[in-house]
Amino acid sequence: GAGVSQSPSNKVTEKGKDVELRCDPISGHTALYWYRQSLGQGLEFLIYFQGNSAPDKSGLPSDRFSAERTGGSVSTLTIQRTQQEDSAVYLCASSFTSGELDEQYFGPGTRLTVT
Amino acid sequence: AQKITQTQPGMFVQEKEAVTLDCTYDTSDPSYGLFWYKQPSSGEMIFLIYQGSYDQQNATEGRYSLNFQKARKSANLVISASQLGDSAMYFCAMRGGSSNTGKLIFGQGTTLQVKP
Repeated sequence: GAGVSQSPSNKVTEKGKDVELRCDPISGHTALYWYRQSLGQGLEFLIYFQGNSAPDKSGLPSDRFSAERTGGSVSTLTIQRTQQEDSAVYLCASSFTSGELDEQYFGPGTRLTVT
Repeated sequence: AQKITQTQPGMFVQEKEAVTLDCTYDTSDPSYGLFWYKQPSSGEMIFLIYQGSYDQQNATEGRYSLNFQKARKSANLVISASQLGDSAMYFCAMRGGSSNTGKLIFGQGTTLQVKP
C-alpha cells in the first residue's frame, strides 16, 4: 500500500513569510509525528497526534510553529514569520498506535530553506 | 530525561567485513524500545531493527543484529558482510516512557562508509 507522503518536497521561502507543510499518513494509522532534522544532525521531535488531538506538543520550538490534523488523517505543520534557523528537513511519521512496539514509518520529508 | 548517545560521528569498513555502530541510552523507564534507522543520501528513513527492553534475546534481521546489553544501557548495531549499499547515516533511537506518546528520541547519528 501507499506509504507516508509529504508535500512539497522542497520549499524555498523568504524570511518573514508563512509556510505550510503537509503530511498524509498511512491509512489506518492513528498516531502521527512531526520531526525536524537540521543539516548533519539527528531528528528532533516536534509534535505528536493521536487521532485529531495533540497530547504532546513539547517539541515545538516557538509559538510560530503550529500543527493540526483533521479527520484523523492529513496533518499540516504551519510556520509563521519564518526565520533562517527554521531551515531544515521536516519529516512526518505515522504508526498504527503510539505503543513502543509499533514501528514508525517515515515520509520523504520536506526540505525548507529560508532565505 | 531520555537520551541517546552515538559517539562515532564517522566509521569506515571494508566491503564484506562486519562493523559495529555504538549506541548508549539513558532512561529511568522500565519499559522501552530501541530502534535503528538507516538514512541514505536520498534522505529517507529506513527502519532496520527493533529491540524491546524485556526481550531476552538479541534482535536479528538478516545481516543486522542488535547487541543489547541492558545493564550497560547499550544497543549496538552489528552489520555483517558489509555491502557498498550500506554506506549511509545510521541513527539509534529510543521510544517509550511514562508519557507513552511514542515519540522517538534520536542520537546524532553515525556516518558509515563502506570501502570496495
